[in-house]
Amino acid sequence: DTGVSQNPRHKITKRGQNVTFRCDPISEHNRLYWYRQTLGQGPEFLTYFQNEAQLEKSRLLSDRFSAERPKGSFSTLEIQRTEQGDSAMYLCASSLRRRSNTEAFFGQGTRLTVV
Amino acid sequence: DQQVKQNSPSLSVQEGRISILNCDYTNSMFDYFLWYKKYPAEGPTFLISISSIKDKNEDGRFTVFLNKSAKHLSLHIVPSQPGDSAVYFCAASSTTNSGYALNFGKGTSLLVTP
Repeated sequence: DTGVSQNPRHKITKRGQNVTFRCDPISEHNRLYWYRQTLGQGPEFLTYFQNEAQLEKSRLLSDRFSAERPKGSFSTLEIQRTEQGDSAMYLCASSLRRRSNTEAFFGQGTRLTVV
Repeated sequence: DQQVKQNSPSLSVQEGRISILNCDYTNSMFDYFLWYKKYPAEGPTFLISISSIKDKNEDGRFTVFLNKSAKHLSLHIVPSQPGDSAVYFCAASSTTNSGYALNFGKGTSLLVTP
């Protein structure tokens, strides 16, 4: 399978615990994005990487959230001290930087439930 | 502030007829527009896109129309098939935004009935 892969698919955690999600993008894609989707809403942009550099962060990304892409390949998104409001689908997407615009390809997401 | 708006939460169409999904945007800096399709428990799947230098792009049964002056785009599906039943998201980005981060609407749930 050469698509975007996210793990785990589902995560249930108690409030206050830390969680970490992983995303493996399409291998030749140098851009990687994290989005969050809550019920009844479209995906909301959180952050993006070009290779290993984190170039943009949304104001939605509070201090409890941190993302890394250490070698410009896979990425992790960590949420510290989870809150019930963090419950959402976390989507990863990747794209290839070219002169022209290009679409982003999404993974199947990690559904987080904070109880 | 919702910069991309899909004002119809749902749409029901008979198989074989045309489905028209609408999208409005407010940010005049947006110059690249995409439609994604999403099934339950899956990530969004890219469907079709259009650059602001065009007013129409066609791919098989799917056509996207862009009206820049009205800040409006629409997705036409002809003929509609039951397998098209899904949530459709309109998204927009700006090439002045180096990351091409996508701004999504809330989605329109399309139901195609036999």
